[in-house]
Amino acid sequence: DIVMTQSPDSLAVSLGERATINCKSSQSVLYSSNNKNYLAWYQQKPGQPPKLLISWASTRESGVPDRFSGSGSGTDFTLTISSLQAEDVAVYYCQQYYSTPPYTFGQGTKLEIK
Amino acid sequence: QVQLVESGGGLVKPGGSLRLSCAASGFTFSDYYMSWIRQAPGKGLEWISYISNSGSIMYYADSVKGRFTISRDNAKNSLYLQMNSLRAEDTAVYYCARARIPDGWGQGTLVTVSS
Repeated sequence: DIVMTQSPDSLAVSLGERATINCKSSQSVLYSSNNKNYLAWYQQKPGQPPKLLISWASTRESGVPDRFSGSGSGTDFTLTISSLQAEDVAVYYCQQYYSTPPYTFGQGTKLEIK
Repeated sequence: QVQLVESGGGLVKPGGSLRLSCAASGFTFSDYYMSWIRQAPGKGLEWISYISNSGSIMYYADSVKGRFTISRDNAKNSLYLQMNSLRAEDTAVYYCARARIPDGWGQGTLVTVSS
């Protein structure tokens, strides 16, 4: 199974500052035939189900603010929030959906306001 | 809009069984793969199963393989998870989610396995 490892486990950032969360997969999730990375990012606020933010490593879902961006390829990926807002406090998860299941998640990164 | 409502959770003894249901609305259910994902109290997300739109393809996490069965009824716009031989470590909120890359989630139903 592909193991997803996020860093850091928790992060405190000042309002208006940049937040960066990393995700590393134990093997590449880049499918060579279509040059797509099979990697998604989710946001989970307290007491709520997760919400899909980004798929294919860098494609924002409709309605997701453009301060959220995803980057990376192969085994190393990053979720960046360019200017942290109070409503961005949440736990963020990456997930790979490469090939056949299991579609494993990272352990999560808790983002707080400094 | 996508609406998914899980039901069937509750308290069950180790070794017992439960059947979870998920009622879908707001989209053409038969067009989508569906997934079950769970979250133990205070822990992260664990993908446990998905089923193809026709119901012919199913996958399971090793942690539930042989004990859980996913199914669907497209005529009733419903997804199911039959859970047998439940263990304490199966205690979690179980989410129904649309698609292999879950772009819509229910609010979840809590399953507690305890004597």
